[in-house]
Amino acid sequence: KAGVTQTPRYLIKTRGQQVTLSCSPISGHRSVSWYQQTPGQGLQFLFEYFSETQRNKGNFPGRFSGRQFSNSRSEMNVSTLELGDSALYLCASSLSGLAEQETQYFGPGTRLLVL
Amino acid sequence: QQQVKQSPQSLIVQKGGISIINCAYENTAFDYFPWYQQFPGKGPALLIAIRPDVSEKKEGRFTISFNKSAKQFSLHIMDSQPGDSATYFCAASKQGGKLIFGQGTELSVKP
Repeated sequence: KAGVTQTPRYLIKTRGQQVTLSCSPISGHRSVSWYQQTPGQGLQFLFEYFSETQRNKGNFPGRFSGRQFSNSRSEMNVSTLELGDSALYLCASSLSGLAEQETQYFGPGTRLLVL
Repeated sequence: QQQVKQSPQSLIVQKGGISIINCAYENTAFDYFPWYQQFPGKGPALLIAIRPDVSEKKEGRFTISFNKSAKQFSLHIMDSQPGDSATYFCAASKQGGKLIFGQGTELSVKP
């Protein structure tokens, strides 16, 4: 089975721009979660989607949004980019996200640099 | 109450030695405690996980010890190898929900 794929792998943007990142989960997985990883804050949960609905949300401003398509692929969007948004954005997929002890499998991430 | 505290921040171990990383949590509703391993340029990969009704779980050279009353759990890497050099994250979740991660431990195993 192919793993979680994320595109693009690297991205450079300037302040004020917006960006869209894409994630394709493992085949058959219906839950997709997004995390932001920075040296200072570590790994922080952004949101989780299941069946095209946002089911869980972390403590990030409204500039961060996402969506999920009927084939479980997900996108996240960050509008009005700030320097502090520079980070590795990780996508993780799991079967349903509800079952106890269900494993989340991570993609390689998209490294975003905001100048 | 949602935090998971991890220590140490960095760890240097000689080849063949034991690496020990500790984590503590506060939310007693957590029911799943995984450890992830992350190499540079890669996403985190699940290493081993434990439920709170088990005090220890071993998989090869990796062991999780879990102390429910103290709300602590730790990862032990026996016979540490240079290839184990990576960043390790503990995490916790409840009922398959979002993962709350520790801050990470950068492990370096010297040959």
